[in-house]
Amino acid sequence: QQQVKQSPQSLIVQKGGISIINCAYENTAFDYFPWYQQFPGKGPALLIAIRPDVSEKKEGRFTISFNKSAKQFSLHIMDSQPGDSATYFCAASIKGSGGYQKVTFGTGTKLQVIP
Amino acid sequence: DAGVIQSPRHEVTEMGQEVTLRCKPISGHDYLFWYRQTMMRGLELLIYFNNNVPIDDSGMPEDRFSAKMPNASFSTLKIQPSEPRDSAVYFCASSFYGMDEQFFGPGTRLTVL
Repeated sequence: QQQVKQSPQSLIVQKGGISIINCAYENTAFDYFPWYQQFPGKGPALLIAIRPDVSEKKEGRFTISFNKSAKQFSLHIMDSQPGDSATYFCAASIKGSGGYQKVTFGTGTKLQVIP
Repeated sequence: DAGVIQSPRHEVTEMGQEVTLRCKPISGHDYLFWYRQTMMRGLELLIYFNNNVPIDDSGMPEDRFSAKMPNASFSTLKIQPSEPRDSAVYFCASSFYGMDEQFFGPGTRLTVL
């Protein structure tokens, strides 16, 4: 019930195209859905996040679409650039009793944007 | 701020040896997390601390793994004895009360031969 399923495992997109990564969850108690971006040799870094009370959040070229009834959410990268080439992790979390977010990560999607 | 600092960045050791990974969280953060990343299992939470106290170590795979946080600015993850299946990238992350975001260090790539 704590799983977050992510697809695809890898993705190749041409420069200027749209990259779409999908995630699904089971636990309806999750209350925060972040996306992390990881470049080779670096740790994951928060990219964008959404709460289940909204259906979409946009920050620049990055958009999260959230479907609460289907328990699915996705990351869309518009006008994909070679600099977006990285591994993307979706995640879902629950606020713990100590005030921190207990995070469950998806398995990651390796995105390659080719010129 | 220098961010979360981890050392060493790379560690190669032989099976049976003791391995110690180190982490310095961001100053002022009161939560510290240790994660392990592998191709097969992705990012897994091993243990987390709040105010230097271990709160949840249910992700620690075996008794061979142990973690300590003697003060607010330092934590260690120890593997003794190490095995080839422990080969992975180990990340430390920190956060503070009420914060949603976790800040990750650059990781330690461990190879056990």
